[in-house]
Amino acid sequence: AQTVTQSQPEMSVQEAETVTLSCTYDTSESNYYLFWYKQPPSRQMILVIRQEAYKQQNATENRFSVNFQKAAKSFSLKISDSQLGDTAMYFCAAFTGTASKLTFGTGTRLQVTL
Amino acid sequence: GAVVSQHPSRVICKSGTSVKIECRSLDFQATTMFWYRQFPKKSLMLMATSNEGSKATYEQGVEKDKFLINHASLTLSTLTVTSAHPEDSSFYICSASREGPDTQYFGPGTRLTVL
Repeated sequence: AQTVTQSQPEMSVQEAETVTLSCTYDTSESNYYLFWYKQPPSRQMILVIRQEAYKQQNATENRFSVNFQKAAKSFSLKISDSQLGDTAMYFCAAFTGTASKLTFGTGTRLQVTL
Repeated sequence: GAVVSQHPSRVICKSGTSVKIECRSLDFQATTMFWYRQFPKKSLMLMATSNEGSKATYEQGVEKDKFLINHASLTLSTLTVTSAHPEDSSFYICSASREGPDTQYFGPGTRLTVL
């Protein structure tokens, strides 16, 4: 079974600063996918970034980038130049072919302040 | 692209009645759709996986006779909560996969309140 752990229930960052959200996972499979999803107050889940496990290069999407450490089973999200609109719940998730489903972490609530 | 809609966004019903929630992929065909339930300030819990033209696969502990799922076309899946009870009150979210089941695009969710 796969598990996803987010150890930071809440975080706060000032506008324009950089923040890193932590995520660790566990799976026995060699091929899997990792994701970060954002859920703002509207509760619409938005895909932020996707990482394929077999790719060593860290995925980036504009201000969002990940630090994928496969051996350590770590998948952290870095948000640069934080904006007020980044205030949301952030969920880390993993997908394996065997389970064929997304397993979510418990989420980190990020507050961006002025 | 990859827009998923849900209808209704909010529904209030009386205990004992049935409620249907629709999930549509608006600009792509989705061979697989998923239904999740989310309790306040909690993570998403997968209820079932729905493949077009076949029976849904339910997660352990989810009553298939209570939560009826139909995936009649490549753009529409429905979740019917039958004989709803107050404990069924929750936020229900669907998702649809486009390229493959790993990457899912989520609908805006439906808040169900059972009185």
